[in-house]
Amino acid sequence: KQEVTQIPAALSVPEGENLVLNCSFTDSAIYNLQWFRQDPGKGLTSLLLIQSSQREQTSGRLNASLDKSSGRSTLYIAASQPGDSATYLCAVPGYSSASKIIFGSGTRLSIRP
Amino acid sequence: DVKVTQSSRYLVKRTGEKVFLECVQDMDHENMFWYRQDPGLGLRLIYFSYDVKMKEKGDIPEGYSVSREKKERFSLILESASTNQTSMYLCASSSQGRVNQPQHFGDGTRLSIL
Repeated sequence: KQEVTQIPAALSVPEGENLVLNCSFTDSAIYNLQWFRQDPGKGLTSLLLIQSSQREQTSGRLNASLDKSSGRSTLYIAASQPGDSATYLCAVPGYSSASKIIFGSGTRLSIRP
Repeated sequence: DVKVTQSSRYLVKRTGEKVFLECVQDMDHENMFWYRQDPGLGLRLIYFSYDVKMKEKGDIPEGYSVSREKKERFSLILESASTNQTSMYLCASSSQGRVNQPQHFGDGTRLSIL
């Protein structure tokens, strides 16, 4: 059974720092991996989706990497800003059917001005 | 732009009531999902649908049912609400594919059962 883990559960860094969020998964036979952002009391916003054939995906100050063999992904945020404060979740397919995904419990990120 | 709309942001109901949560998407997506999110438990899949009138149970379907009469609308029904169904409910949609396509989420409905 696929399990997704995100450590740490919470992270606080000063503004301007580069930072890395971690995601690990137990079954490496995944089609892709998706990173989401969730602001308090809101739904999830898709940030990046990496296909299994890719090693990384970039969007602005965000860069996500994928290492299937080790069951790990990282989300790199460059030059962090207070507006980056949110919970970040990763998710991978958990079943053989095409559409259902398993979420990690998230990392709550706080950027101090 | 992609849009998933949940009918209510906040809802307060009483134990035993029948509760309807509505979700509409405007992207012509085949797949639609209902999750609940609880502190310490993360997101858990309740039901999903991959076509009109089709549905599949997720991880925690007990106490819930769903309805998908039109492609754009997916309803979650609490047949007889109980206090342990107080939660944040999130609807999502995605396009059909052999592999996962990005899921797009609504803003959520925070449901309180008194």
